[in-house]
Amino acid sequence: EDQVTQSPEALRLQEGESSSLNCSYTVSGLRGLFWYRQDPGKGPEFLFTLYSAGEEKEKERLKATLTKKESFLHITAPKPEDSATYLCAVQPPRDSNYQLIWGAGTKLIIKP
Amino acid sequence: ETGVTQTPRHLVMGMTNKKSLKCEQHLGHNAMYWYKQSAKKPLELMFVYSLEERVENNSVPSRFSPECPNSSHLFLHLHTLQPEDSALYLCASSQFGRTSDTQYFGPGTRLTVL
Repeated sequence: EDQVTQSPEALRLQEGESSSLNCSYTVSGLRGLFWYRQDPGKGPEFLFTLYSAGEEKEKERLKATLTKKESFLHITAPKPEDSATYLCAVQPPRDSNYQLIWGAGTKLIIKP
Repeated sequence: ETGVTQTPRHLVMGMTNKKSLKCEQHLGHNAMYWYKQSAKKPLELMFVYSLEERVENNSVPSRFSPECPNSSHLFLHLHTLQPEDSALYLCASSQFGRTSDTQYFGPGTRLTVL
């Protein structure tokens, strides 16, 4: 069964303390892997799409990487405003179910 | 208006009420989605309208009824809901047919069923 697992469930960091969030998946023939940020009571905000193993994308303090089995969201020197829930989703091959398979998210808390 | 908008933002309804959620996308996309988000659970896809075809999750109860009059508007009609239907309901849109279909979300409607 296709599955997406995010870890840890929650992560508390001090401001400036770098770390990584993990998204592992069991989908074969990946068409795309997506990272979103979600603030409480709001809709997910798109961050990155990764298409193939070895690809990396960066935005401010965030860098997303992809291997054949997992993706990492690296957060460098985070600030309190980076606190949010980070969601990962995988898109299966076009000739199967084109729906996204979502992880349950990692809640990131950055303490000043 | 830009992006994806949803109204109302908050809704409280009794189990016998009938209400509708509205979504509008201003991105020129050809696919629209309804998701249910419950605490600490993955997003649950309820309905997709893509290229005028409806695809649904067979586990969605019939008390939820979608309507998509055109590619920019999407409704979710609610009737005789249960307390367990309380959740954040998210609308999204994408341009189906590209290499991968990045979905863009609205702010959501927080639904409380009493």
